[in-house]
Amino acid sequence: GDSVTQMEGPVTLSEEAFLTINCTYTATGYPSLFWYVQYPGEGLQLLLKATKADDKGSNKGFEATYRKETTSFHLEKGSVQVSDSAVYFCALGRSSNTGKLIFGQGTTLQVKP
Amino acid sequence: KAGVTQTPRYLIKTRGQQVTLSCSPISGHRSVSWYQQTPGQGLQFLFEYFSETQRNKGNFPGRFSGRQFSNSRSEMNVSTLELGDSALYLCASSLASVGRGTDTQYFGPGTRLTVL
Repeated sequence: GDSVTQMEGPVTLSEEAFLTINCTYTATGYPSLFWYVQYPGEGLQLLLKATKADDKGSNKGFEATYRKETTSFHLEKGSVQVSDSAVYFCALGRSSNTGKLIFGQGTTLQVKP
Repeated sequence: KAGVTQTPRYLIKTRGQQVTLSCSPISGHRSVSWYQQTPGQGLQFLFEYFSETQRNKGNFPGRFSGRQFSNSRSEMNVSTLELGDSALYLCASSLASVGRGTDTQYFGPGTRLTVL
């Protein structure tokens, strides 16, 4: 069945450092891919998404490219801020599996001043 | 536009009791999905409702049930609570309908359930 694997955290970076959080998926066909972020005590917020191969999603300085050949959707940001400290989730969805997102385990990011 | 709202935000129950959680989707959204989030299992899909019908279901026991009303508001119910049901329960809404592909889900803040 479909699955999503994220790099284990926590990831600790200094402010202005470059961020990469790896995400790979197992699925047939062309699922949609998402990155969500969860701040302490809150629900999930959509960060970005991509619905087909080679699509690049971007938002608030974060980017991720849907790579079908490597089944990956890695999250990147050129310069992180303390306010980016949160848990990041990679997720997969299919139109044939309505309403269901399959999530990775989440990666905790801590950014130090 | 108001976001997804969930009530109550926090709940404490004892084993054997039952609980009902409520979710109001974004106006115009017809699909509501529910997820359970725990430190050990992460985020797991419970079920999805669309037009008052359960359209998809995850791998949870029958103690977990839900429903959706004509205004798209949804409730989930857990009967005979167990300690392992302690979790953050998240609901998400989307426009999703047949043929639209995978629409974006927008999440509420969650209900934190503690079972003692």
